[in-house]
Amino acid sequence: SQTIHQWPATLVQPVGSPLSLECTVEGTSNPNLYWYRQAAGRGLQLLFYSVGIGQISSEVPQNLSASRPQDRQFILSSKKLLLSDSGFYLCAWTRAGTGKGYGYTFGSGTRLTVV
Amino acid sequence: DQQVKQNSPSLSVQEGRISILNCDYTNSMFDYFLWYKKYPAEGPTFLISISSIKDKNEDGRFTVFLNKSAKHLSLHIVPSQPGDSAVYFCAARVANFGNEKLTFGTGTRLTIIP
Repeated sequence: SQTIHQWPATLVQPVGSPLSLECTVEGTSNPNLYWYRQAAGRGLQLLFYSVGIGQISSEVPQNLSASRPQDRQFILSSKKLLLSDSGFYLCAWTRAGTGKGYGYTFGSGTRLTVV
Repeated sequence: DQQVKQNSPSLSVQEGRISILNCDYTNSMFDYFLWYKKYPAEGPTFLISISSIKDKNEDGRFTVFLNKSAKHLSLHIVPSQPGDSAVYFCAARVANFGNEKLTFGTGTRLTIIP
């Protein structure tokens, strides 16, 4: 069976510090991978998605970046965090071309607080 | 531009009654619509979906209705139970050449009153 791992679960970082959140998927190959953010009182905002190694699409311009160094690994990074980067970050995956509309499977999320 | 909208941020329903959550969309290219349920500090979990070529899909206590002409869908939960208390997100899918992308609404917090 497929599983998705996301860590850390919580993170408190000072403004201006770097960020690295990691997500890995097991039990499948060539998944589509996604990073979402849920800010306080807001919905789920798509930040990045990837359909293959080294292929990253950005949905929202910001000081965050994403990388996919391996097939089942997706990393969200920042060189300098802003207060507005605080939120709940979610990684998700789906099997490309399922045609079934089952959508994504989400990780358990990372609560990031920038202080 | 918010392509998927949930205009009710919160909803309270008595246990045993019907809960109706609503969602509106603007993009005619969406081919599937989904509902996700989310508890605090957890990732959303898939609940039920409907293809754009159908108008109803039922799974146990959960039924999703789609009105394409009005670009509106709704989730009915009957009977409502205390464990249904959560935030519900409506999502819509667009797929191109096997790659899919979900756009989420802002969520509705459902509270079931015992």
